[in-house]
Amino acid sequence: QQQVKQSPQSLIVQKGGISIINCAYENTAFDYFPWYQQFPGKGPALLIAIRPDVSEKKEGRFTISFNKSAKQFSLHIMDSQPGDSATYFCAATYNNAGNMLTFGGGTRLMVKP
Amino acid sequence: DAGVTQSPTHLIKTRGQHVTLRCSPISGHKSVSWYQQVLGQGPQFIFQYYEKEERGRGNFPDRFSARQFPNYSSELNVNALLLGDSALYLCASSVWAGNTEAFFGQGTRLTVV
Repeated sequence: QQQVKQSPQSLIVQKGGISIINCAYENTAFDYFPWYQQFPGKGPALLIAIRPDVSEKKEGRFTISFNKSAKQFSLHIMDSQPGDSATYFCAATYNNAGNMLTFGGGTRLMVKP
Repeated sequence: DAGVTQSPTHLIKTRGQHVTLRCSPISGHKSVSWYQQVLGQGPQFIFQYYEKEERGRGNFPDRFSARQFPNYSSELNVNALLLGDSALYLCASSVWAGNTEAFFGQGTRLTVV
């Protein structure tokens, strides 16, 4: 059972554009939603995370928007750069579960120069 | 500071064999989780360990087992390897089991032939 659904599977954006990746979850017990960035041959690296008590969190060019009633959250990458080309994963967990994460299927982002 | 280290980085095994993968968490981190990442998919949770005790188990067969040592390092063992076990095996560590900020190693690429 896939509890976190991610879309799109792949995304091509021009340099300077906005990349938007969406995720939806089913388990209402989830209360921590991180995004991970993964380059080929590397492990996932934590990018940014949000808890459901806020609707938006921004760190540099990366913003998470969270809609608790719709059980959806999204990652926005502003001013996308070729160096952002990677696979992005949304994930979810709940406090007592800690590093037991449920991941989405991933989005392969390519930023064209 | 050293991050999460995993060994070996690559491994080729034959069907039916046994494999042991190793993980050293970040210094001061007491919880380790293991994930399987099949090519083109998101990581799937296998086990979580904290203070040498299993705290969580994902939907994997009994051929998969793990343990954590007094120095908080961990081993993942897989018996009777199948072709479908070919994947990137990731280890993540966090300060304690309930801490949601997880840091991943670079993974072990296992190929079963």
